[in-house]
Amino acid sequence: DTAVSQTPKYLVTQMGNDKSIKCEQNLGHDTMYWYKQDSKKFLKIMFSYNNKELIINETVPNRFSPKSPDKAHLNLHINSLELGDSAVYFCASSQDRGRVHTFGSGTRLTVV
Amino acid sequence: GESVGLHLPTLSVQEGDNSIINCAYSNSASDYFIWYKQESGKGPQFIIDIRSNMDKRQGQRVTVLLNKTVKHLSLQIAATQPGDSAVYFCAETQAAGNKLTFGGGTRVLVKP
Repeated sequence: DTAVSQTPKYLVTQMGNDKSIKCEQNLGHDTMYWYKQDSKKFLKIMFSYNNKELIINETVPNRFSPKSPDKAHLNLHINSLELGDSAVYFCASSQDRGRVHTFGSGTRLTVV
Repeated sequence: GESVGLHLPTLSVQEGDNSIINCAYSNSASDYFIWYKQESGKGPQFIIDIRSNMDKRQGQRVTVLLNKTVKHLSLQIAATQPGDSAVYFCAETQAAGNKLTFGGGTRVLVKP
């Protein structure tokens, strides 16, 4: 059973398009996150939700909009994609805020 | 500002030797630290954690050392195996924190 699953695994799209990445966790965790990993492997938090409430919104362009329909799901919608959005996006969850994360396997987004 | 870790250096180690991966942090309020392992094409996986009231913790073939005086932690891998080849990240958080702050990662290459 996959603990944190995100789809799609690969996403290639043109500049200007709108795309979504979905994430689901079956661990019963209260907190979910989106991280962006750049080409140098640096992991940076983007958003965090606790029980469907947004608790972290790092300096991210407002083209990025997270949505949490319930505490087991946290989706990421990106409008007007730009070349610089190309990266690997990881979803994660944790039982307690800011504690041990369980990560998904990542979504590699390539904007052409 | 806060910073954790180093930008991606590479550690080459002979199979069977011990590996030591280092991480520096700057936030003296950090009280919980985690090491993650990220294999190619996968999300980061939890290896071991340590709280600030400890200076050493051991797991299976891994040991984490924490030196709060100089704000440094290390991960030691005993008898390094080919399966240990990956990027290793340290991460830190505070008691009231909502997020993990990741270091830049260290790539470990195990030579047969």
